[in-house]
Amino acid sequence: TQTVSQSDAHVTVFEGDSVELRCNYSYGGSIYLSWYIQHHGRGLQFLLKYYSGNPVVQGVNGFEAEFSKSDSSFHLRKASVHWSDSAVYFCAVKDNNNAPRFGAGTKLTVKP
Amino acid sequence: GPKVLQIPSHQIIDMGQMVTLNCDPVSNHLYFYWYKQILGQQMEFLVNFYNGKVMEKSKLFKDQFSVERPDGSYFTLKIQPTALEDSAVYFCASSLKYEQYFGPGTRLTVL
Repeated sequence: TQTVSQSDAHVTVFEGDSVELRCNYSYGGSIYLSWYIQHHGRGLQFLLKYYSGNPVVQGVNGFEAEFSKSDSSFHLRKASVHWSDSAVYFCAVKDNNNAPRFGAGTKLTVKP
Repeated sequence: GPKVLQIPSHQIIDMGQMVTLNCDPVSNHLYFYWYKQILGQQMEFLVNFYNGKVMEKSKLFKDQFSVERPDGSYFTLKIQPTALEDSAVYFCASSLKYEQYFGPGTRLTVL
């Protein structure tokens, strides 16, 4: 069974802090990984993706994520967060045969 | 960037009635999806549609649900009849291959 796990339901940091939002998955074979952001009451916006090549991928607004096959992880990071980064972040995993599946989401709160 | 539109943004309906949610996907995209989200929680996959056919559906895609995209127009999700547990925000997405573009969602309230 394919699963996507975001272990932290809520993460709270202060503006200027670094943050890491965790995503683990259990899939076999080739996979496509992505992160999305959802601001309150809005749809999902694409942040970044990984399919192959350099395991560290850069996304919009200073976000990056690192794929680790050994850890089955694709954690999202940002070196210095801004209050506008407060949102819910979703990790998504897709294999060759199925549509993308999403984790439960991590709500990031950035305090001033 | 490319935009996915959803009509209406809100829909209130009595239990047992039929509802159709409309999605205007990105024009050159080939894959279409519906997801269900309750109270800002997890995005639950419902169905994937490609080349005029349902490619994959989850157990949440009940028999009362149907999808179609007649002649390249709106990609629709129809629920007939609706139930109280269908109250949620429904997101449409489209993709050319892997990267999905999401619409703003339709909030469905079943009374």
